[in-house]
Amino acid sequence: EVQMLESGGDLAQPGGSLRLSCAASGFTFDNFAMGWVRQAPGKGLEWVSGISGHGGSRDYAASVKGRFTISRDSSQNTLHLQINNLRAEDTAMYYCVRYSGSYYLLAFWDYWGRGTRVTVSS
Amino acid sequence: EIVLTQSPGTLTLSPGERATLSCRASQSVGSYLAWYQQKPGQAPRLLIYAASSGATGIPDRFSGSGSGTDFTLTISSLEPEDLAVYYCQQYDTTPFTFGPGTRVEVK
Repeated sequence: EVQMLESGGDLAQPGGSLRLSCAASGFTFDNFAMGWVRQAPGKGLEWVSGISGHGGSRDYAASVKGRFTISRDSSQNTLHLQINNLRAEDTAMYYCVRYSGSYYLLAFWDYWGRGTRVTVSS
Repeated sequence: EIVLTQSPGTLTLSPGERATLSCRASQSVGSYLAWYQQKPGQAPRLLIYAASSGATGIPDRFSGSGSGTDFTLTISSLEPEDLAVYYCQQYDTTPFTFGPGTRVEVK
């Protein structure tokens, strides 16, 4: 059974940093691109970032480029999202998603984690 | 960036009725369109991909159609557990974008 379990969400101050993690199981991790999608409270869904199966390619939404870094650890079957210079508008539930293929282009998200909540407030 | 619009914003129907949800793209996305269902307090889950292919484990009362810029999600006979927000999403061009969602309420 495919499972993704996010962690690392917390209350943080503007300008601060957080590292989100997603522990994946039930599939061959290297065979699938992975990514993050977020949802601000009461709002819709926003794609944040994606990384290819072997980690060689990454992509970011314009709203987070330069502040967020996506990475993956094949030895631990874990996806990470490093978030720096937090802003109030980063407040959201962050979902770990599995792409339907090894590359993040022309691929949909077939599995979603339950999410980890990030709140940015002073 | 490709903009997706969904209509109606809210759909209120009785159990057993047919629900028709629309999604329109600002430019062609071919068949690279997915539908997701998000029930209250839950993560989204994939319903339909490639515009008309049902995801694993999805009841066959859910179906998708369309290509290019106009797409439809149909729930043939509404069940009480179908209460949710339904999002369309294009994966033709980055950044991948979502529509604002259609809320389906069951009387």
